[in-house]
Amino acid sequence: DAGVIQSPRHEVTEMGQEVTLRCKPISGHDYLFWYRQTMMRGLELLIYFNNNVPIDDSGMPEDRFSAKMPNASFSTLKIQPSEPRDSAVYFCASSTKQGDEKLFFGSGTQLSVL
Amino acid sequence: RKEVEQDPGPFNVPEGATVAFNCTYSNSASQSFFWYRQDCRKEPKLLMSVYSSGNEDGRFTAQLNRASQYISLLIRDSKLSDSATYLCVVKVYGGSQGNLIFGKGTKLSVKP
Repeated sequence: DAGVIQSPRHEVTEMGQEVTLRCKPISGHDYLFWYRQTMMRGLELLIYFNNNVPIDDSGMPEDRFSAKMPNASFSTLKIQPSEPRDSAVYFCASSTKQGDEKLFFGSGTQLSVL
Repeated sequence: RKEVEQDPGPFNVPEGATVAFNCTYSNSASQSFFWYRQDCRKEPKLLMSVYSSGNEDGRFTAQLNRASQYISLLIRDSKLSDSATYLCVVKVYGGSQGNLIFGKGTKLSVKP
């Protein structure tokens, strides 16, 4: 199995630029989650989808962040404009049901905003 | 008070040692509990569930104390490969976090 696939693995950008992170969940998983991990705050849920529909985006920091899931095999997380405080590792995860303890995480995207 | 709290460590132990981590949770409605493992620069992966009666998986033992709202993970005969960060995870039904709340993790370093 390919697992959850995220791209890019690393992204370095300058403040003010648009950043787009991509995720392909495991086939057949109905739930997709976007997390952000920092040393200070740990792993935080940003938004999650069920059957391509956003269910809870209360973790999205502000309007600069947006996420879409146009189909069952693809999701994007966009930051526009990016700021240095957005620097973190962004993980995408998928599961077969809500609250399923076995989340399958992608390898993450290390984002650095200079 | 944070929903899930862990001692960040690091716990530096020699090979063969026994080490224990604790985790406390604030929501008494928490239903299920888990330990995830995260290697350096890698993604988190499910290590084991925590059952009310306590459970073992090889060298790993997990215990739950609902009255005191804490969970523990015991690792016996530590191996170098156990070096990682261990995340305590709580499942809360009806919450707004997709139901899983992650602690910040406890870092373990096993030395030769």
